[in-house]
Amino acid sequence: DQQVKQNSPSLSVQEGRISILNCDYTNSMFDYFLWYKKYPAEGPTFLISISSIKDKNEDGRFTVFLNKSAKHLSLHIVPSQPGDSAVYFCAAPDDYNTDKLIFGTGTRLQVFP
Amino acid sequence: GAGVSQSPSNKVTEKGKDVELRCDPISGHTALYWYRQSLGQGLEFLIYFQGNSAPDKSGLPSDRFSAERTGGSVSTLTIQRTQQEDSAVYLCASSGIGRPYEQYFGPGTRLTVT
Repeated sequence: DQQVKQNSPSLSVQEGRISILNCDYTNSMFDYFLWYKKYPAEGPTFLISISSIKDKNEDGRFTVFLNKSAKHLSLHIVPSQPGDSAVYFCAAPDDYNTDKLIFGTGTRLQVFP
Repeated sequence: GAGVSQSPSNKVTEKGKDVELRCDPISGHTALYWYRQSLGQGLEFLIYFQGNSAPDKSGLPSDRFSAERTGGSVSTLTIQRTQQEDSAVYLCASSGIGRPYEQYFGPGTRLTVT
């Protein structure tokens, strides 16, 4: 059973517009969430994170929003740039073993000119 | 500074053969993780090391999989008697003290079992 779900396998956005990537989770014990970005033939790179004590964390063009009651988080990229084209994974530390990250299946973002 | 490196980058092997995948973590990182990504799937946790010990091996899919880490640095993931379902990208990551969630990944080893 997938504890972290990314239901949109792909997203296409025009350069300059907002990209919104969504993630849902089922385990209410999760208290920290991360977003990773992955380019082809490279490993994922850490992008931004949020603790459950917050509902928003912003870093430059990237903002993550957390809605605990809905068990939902989203990553906003504004403005989107062609270099943002990548696969984005959300992840959460397993509440039983917090050294283990549980990843979603990823959303492929394509930003076109 | 140098990031996480993995070798080989690609490995094609025949079903039934053994393979060894290597990971060099970032210098000074005490924790090391192995994941795999099968086609169309997310990253699946396999095992992690804290120093040379592996507190959690629960993600290893079968007893054909084993891993070791020596000197608190390099790790090898061994798959014995490979099967076609073992085909995947095997990713290694490391993290520093106090920041276990921010894992730094290597480029992965793409394993193809024919």
